[in-house]
Formats: sequence, C-alpha cells, structure tokens
Amino acid sequence: NAGVTQTPKFRVLKTGQSMTLLCAQDMNHEYMYWYRQDPGMGLRLIHYSVGEGTTAKGEVPDGYNVSRLKKQNFLLGLESAAPSQTSVYFCASSYPRQGRINEQFFGPGTRLTVL
Amino acid sequence: AQKVTQAQTEISVVEKEDVTLDCVYETRDTTYYLFWYKQPPSGELVFLIRRNSFDEQNEISGRYSWNFQKSTSSFNFTITASQVVDSAVYFCALSGGYGNKLVFGAGTILRVKS
Repeated sequence: NAGVTQTPKFRVLKTGQSMTLLCAQDMNHEYMYWYRQDPGMGLRLIHYSVGEGTTAKGEVPDGYNVSRLKKQNFLLGLESAAPSQTSVYFCASSYPRQGRINEQFFGPGTRLTVL
Repeated sequence: AQKVTQAQTEISVVEKEDVTLDCVYETRDTTYYLFWYKQPPSGELVFLIRRNSFDEQNEISGRYSWNFQKSTSSFNFTITASQVVDSAVYFCALSGGYGNKLVFGAGTILRVKS
C-alpha cells in the first residue's frame, strides 16, 4: 500500500495563479483532511470530508476550495494564489469506528511558494 | 472551542538526558482523544500515541512514556535517555466532535546533541 500520496511535492506560483493539489489514499478511508503548516503555528485544518461527495470547512478555509468526487481522492484548489498561502500542505485520511477516534495518516506534504 | 497549548517552543538536551514535552488542552467535550505526532527533519508526520478521555492510565513504550491528567487537562510526553534520532518537532493534538478533526498545538522543537 502506498498510503497517502500528494501531488506535486513542490510548486512555485505567482500571485493570482491557480493550482490544484491532489491527495490520494489507497486505504479505503472515509475521512480525508487538508491542513497547512506554518512556522510556529502547528497544523491548521483547511477543509475536510467525511465521505465521497461531501466537504466541510475547517479553521482556515478562505481562499481554498475542495472536492471529493471519488472516495480515494481529495483535491485542494487555490483559485487565485496569494503570498499568504505560502505554506506546507498536508493531506490526511482516517476511518471512523464507533466509539473510537482513530489516528490520521498523513501524506508527505506539498511545499508551495507564492511569489 | 478546542485548543492545544505547547508552551515549550524549543528544547535542547544532551544525549542520554530525560526530557518532558508539555501539552495542555481545552475542550468542552466529555469524550475526546489526544494524540502525539512526531515530525522528523525529513518532514513527514509520524503517529506516536492515541489516548481517550476515559483512560487516564499512563503508557510506556520503550523510551517513551505519556502522562495523562484530566484534572489538569494535560497530556505530557517524556523521552527517557534521549538520542540524537529523537531530534524532531513534536505535536500534541486533540480530536472530538463531527469529522474527528484534529486541533494541533504549535509544536515543540526538540534538539538532542551528542
């Protein structure tokens, strides 16, 4: 199993450009998440999904959109990139189990720089 | 709202020293889970431990141990006889509610010198 993979690993954008980050998992997990990591701030949740076709906002959703058309994929879009979106982006997945919260499995991250 | 505080931004120790990383959390949920993740210099996030709010037993795994105290809303992590390979950023996280979302602390950078 590849686990959680992210494409691309690195990207440099100019202000105003758009791009899509792809997250894929092969563990048949229901739940998927997008986080951003900034120095001194830990990881903050951008958007998440509890199943195919569903998405919800996290703590810092502004400037981002997401889609979950297939269970194994979770896409994060930046319509008009801004320098404030320079960050490392992590995707994660997890599976629900009654009476218990399981750990999230993280992808390797995407380092995005917006000039 | 849920909140996790890791007051120690950075800790430096010499190899073989013991070190404790502090984690204090806030939540109104009666059922919740706490996690520790490790982020080595390579950047990936490695799951270390999960603990639910009903289980206050301390846990030991090799050189790692965790102390969960509900009365003080703390979930501290101790590394005994630290090694250079323990150098990493350590995150404490809290989960509860719809979607099992994680709220992370800011992280503690641990530097272990030989």
